[in-house]
Amino acid sequence: GESVGLHLPTLSVQEGDNSIINCAYSNSASDYFIWYKQESGKGPQFIIDIRSNMDKRQGQRVTVLLNKTVKHLSLQIAATQPGDSAVYFCAELSGYSTLTFGKGTMLLVSP
Amino acid sequence: EAGVVQSPRYKIIEKKQPVAFWCNPISGHNTLYWYLQNLGQGPELLIRYENEEAVDDSQLPKDRFSAERLKGVDSTLKIQPAELGDSAVYLCASSLNSKNIQYFGAGTRLSVL
Repeated sequence: GESVGLHLPTLSVQEGDNSIINCAYSNSASDYFIWYKQESGKGPQFIIDIRSNMDKRQGQRVTVLLNKTVKHLSLQIAATQPGDSAVYFCAELSGYSTLTFGKGTMLLVSP
Repeated sequence: EAGVVQSPRYKIIEKKQPVAFWCNPISGHNTLYWYLQNLGQGPELLIRYENEEAVDDSQLPKDRFSAERLKGVDSTLKIQPAELGDSAVYLCASSLNSKNIQYFGAGTRLSVL
């Protein structure tokens, strides 16, 4: 398939701003969604999850919104900090228990 | 509580050589996963274990890749022989079961020269 290579979508924000990272998922049968944060040289780190019977879930400084009609997921980070700089992946889980990751978005937070 | 532990963190080998990666999952996690991650892309599943049984290995290139989880705890992933295109990060993850959150290790970065 086509290689994304290094051309990750990038979101640049100032410290203190709110960030919104979007993700389109592919499988209408997916019933569980997870956002992961991956810093350079580290494995993906769980941030927040949401099941398909919900449309919103809040954590500490993060909110995930799910729109099943258009198969869209978003991650909102409030009061973004330099430590939030990383690549963010959405992942969907279907009934086959295979977690499929999206292409990732790089978040750059300037002090 | 310790997270998922992988070793080595880095490995550099010449093509055609064998290589092995080791993973110790979070204690009590029945499901273990091996993923491949190329630069700038999301992880892609290679194999999933439920206890000691490989229940999804459809994406594992079986001509050169093998994996085992003999006692249903730690696991090894082997490549023999390695090819240049195998250069990537190999991630291990574990979860309580296949419907729960997957927790990842730091990965092994493989460079094949």
